[in-house]
Amino acid sequence: EVQLQESGPGLVKPSQSLSLTCSVTGYSITSNYWGWIRKFPGNKMEWMGYISYSGSTSYNPSLKSRISITRDTSKNQFFLQLNSVTTEDTATYYCARFRDSYAHFDYWGQGVMVTVSS
Amino acid sequence: DIQMTQSPASLSASLEEIVTITCQASQDIGNWLAWYQQKPGKSPQLLIYGATSLADGVPSRFSGSRSGTQYSLKISRLQVEDPGIYYCLQGYSAPPTFGGGTKLELK
Repeated sequence: EVQLQESGPGLVKPSQSLSLTCSVTGYSITSNYWGWIRKFPGNKMEWMGYISYSGSTSYNPSLKSRISITRDTSKNQFFLQLNSVTTEDTATYYCARFRDSYAHFDYWGQGVMVTVSS
Repeated sequence: DIQMTQSPASLSASLEEIVTITCQASQDIGNWLAWYQQKPGKSPQLLIYGATSLADGVPSRFSGSRSGTQYSLKISRLQVEDPGIYYCLQGYSAPPTFGGGTKLELK
């Protein structure tokens, strides 16, 4: 079964970078697409971006200057880096598998809450 | 970006009641719509994709439909395990966008 697990610091200072890892088991990240989504306090959900089976990326234009998604195929992991964070980046971050047929996420990690605060 | 207007924002329903949640897309998205259920402390679970296709393992009391640019999620007989927050997601046009969510509670 496909399983995803996010990891990373739960607290980041303003202006610093947020870095998260998504470890995938049961499926190779060299197939399909793999994305990051976040849920803000108050329940708003935002798609952040994804990395494809070939390593190409697509990002939400609202984040394009600050976001980077990379991967390590040898470890079957992909990564999120979000630069110059502010308190508005406080959210629960999820990684998920993205299916291009009808463009939906089918398997999700449990999520990691990240607070941006000094 | 395509806007997904979800309604109601919250609702309270009784066991065995029929519940309907809707999402209105700001433009044509075809059948590129998915529905998710999220329970407290858990990740979203896929219920419906392609507007009407039931995801694996999802009970048949959940169903999705489409009328033009309006999409509906129906729970035919509300069960005790169904409360949570429900979201729609359009995948027709980048960036994918979510509805604002519907908080479903048991009366």
